[in-house]
Amino acid sequence: KNEVEQSPQNLTAQEGEFITINCSYSVGISALHWLQQHPGGGIVSLFMLSSGKKKHGRLIATINIQEKHSSLHITASHPRDSAVYICAVRFDRGSTLGRLYFGRGTQLTVWP
Amino acid sequence: KAGVTQTPRYLIKTRGQQVTLSCSPISGHRSVSWYQQTPGQGLQFLFEYFSETQRNKGNFPGRFSGRQFSNSRSEMNVSTLELGDSALYLCASSLGSQAGPLNEQFFGPGTRLTVL
Repeated sequence: KNEVEQSPQNLTAQEGEFITINCSYSVGISALHWLQQHPGGGIVSLFMLSSGKKKHGRLIATINIQEKHSSLHITASHPRDSAVYICAVRFDRGSTLGRLYFGRGTQLTVWP
Repeated sequence: KAGVTQTPRYLIKTRGQQVTLSCSPISGHRSVSWYQQTPGQGLQFLFEYFSETQRNKGNFPGRFSGRQFSNSRSEMNVSTLELGDSALYLCASSLGSQAGPLNEQFFGPGTRLTVL
């Protein structure tokens, strides 16, 4: 059982559409990361957050600690946003302290 | 500033062999973490090294080992390779330990290992 659940698994959108990817986790965390992986494997860290909301360009990440849920939004999506988006969390207690646990990823395809 | 580099980028080995992968972190970063990515299991944490000490270890057999040198460069070794070890191996560096305050991770391009 994966402690980090992402949805949807696959997402197709038309250029310009508003995109939302969701991530939920099971226990308390110290940090949540949103990562982007392009074909070929390279991973880029988009956001690291522990509360509230962060914005970078067309990307917005929010987290609700009480509900154990985070969302990644992409406004005015573009074909270059096509990639796999991965949610990862760092749990805040026990033997797993410090380790990153990953969701299975969301494959986003944006058509022109 | 140069990013995280990994060598080699691609590797083909046969069952039973051993392999060593190398990771050079961003200058000044003291933490290096290793991850395995497979289509079946996704991304999984292997281990983290900070200041030459293993700080954390994932649920992998003892065939997977690593070390970190005084210049923060890290190597991971897989002995007695199995078909299931075919994967993309990623390393990531950060300023501080993962267990400490928030530390953004910077990923390398990965080494794609194929075991025949």
